[in-house]
Parts: sequence; structure tokens; C-alpha cells
Amino acid sequence: DAKTTQPNSMESNEEEPVHLPCNHSTISGTDYIHWYRQLPSQGPEYVIHGLTSNVNNRMASLAIAEDRKSSTLILHRATLRDAAVYYCILTGAGSYQLTFGKGTKLSVIP
Amino acid sequence: KAGVTQTPRYLIKTRGQQVTLSCSPISGHRSVSWYQQTPGQGLQFLFEYFSETQRNKGNFPGRFSGRQFSNSRSEMNVSTLELGDSALYLCASSLPDRTYGYTFGSGTRLTVV
Repeated sequence: DAKTTQPNSMESNEEEPVHLPCNHSTISGTDYIHWYRQLPSQGPEYVIHGLTSNVNNRMASLAIAEDRKSSTLILHRATLRDAAVYYCILTGAGSYQLTFGKGTKLSVIP
Repeated sequence: KAGVTQTPRYLIKTRGQQVTLSCSPISGHRSVSWYQQTPGQGLQFLFEYFSETQRNKGNFPGRFSGRQFSNSRSEMNVSTLELGDSALYLCASSLPDRTYGYTFGSGTRLTVV
């Protein structure tokens, strides 16, 4: 699976939007972009995924660049419960594993 | 809808012993994956099972093995435990097309002394 690059850490004020970037310059045409997050003392939690078009769900939005070499996870209003490590992961169509990097540790300031 | 259930939650074993961890996936999920999480190496893929067959295996020694039963429940076994096997072991299940991604359990915290 292709590699992703994320900032080590980010901070956000509570109730403000958060944009978490991810670079994946070697993405292939069939790679899906997945986002997971891991809260302290819990297993990872699926957030959102997409292929080419922007995606929205109840948790977040995923904005994918036109050339697919980068993407941004958008949390519309950060809450204290959103403080977690966020992982951006690429998976091939026939891949059955998630390759986790170090992710971005998001801190939310009250 | 019940989530992914892993048992036991905590386990302490002695070097050289073996251990078996259990994972019950979400009803209807036939794919089960296992991951190891340590502070130094982060989250690493161990193996994945679908319909009782191992489809994919990570880069771990043969002491790590697993199996899946006809009801999709899965077990992983670690033989001849080493101190470095101390970790959080996570199980994840998914639908075949991974429409909603993978759902992870809360993990089993294994400590080897």
C-alpha cells in the first residue's frame, strides 16, 4: 500500500472547524483513502473513506484533491471528545489490511 | 447492535507460556483481522481471515497464529511468549465490501513478565 504523510500533531479550539491534512503523492488509481481515529484506551474507530469524490457522513467530511495526491479530513465543530490520534490510510482494492502510520494527534482546547 | 467483542480484556503471562485471545465479530461480518499495538512500533497488521481461510498475513514470526470458526469468531494464539510480545492486541471485523470500514474491538492488553 502507498505511503501517507501527516503532521505529528495539531491543536484546535473547541467548537471550531478542524482541517487535518494528509499527503499521498504515490497513490494509485484504485487506492481508497480511509480515515480512522483512536481515542485514548480504545481501539481505532472508522471515520470516513472515499475514492475520488468528496464524502460526507455524520462524523466528518473528506475533501479529496482533484489529482488525489492529498486529502483533508474536516471536523466541522471540534469537541473535547474529538481529541484523538487520526490516521490517514490508503488501501488497494484487493487489500485486506490497514497499514497505520504515526497519525496526527489532535488536541482540542476548551 | 453489538460491537466487536474481545476476551479477555487483560492478561498477564510468563515468558515461555502460550496464550489464546478471542474475538467475536459483529453479526454478519465474515472478515476478521488482528493487529498488535505497541508504543514503539505502533499498530501493525498480524493476519486476516475470511470464511475460515487466512487471506493475508503480516510480518510476524510463526509463533503468532490464528484461526476462524464457521460462525466467524476468531482466535489468535501466541506460543513461547517473549517480553516483547507485551502489547495491546486488537481485532477488527468488516463486511466483505468494507462499505463501513473496519470495526475494532477494545483490545486485549497482554503483559508478559
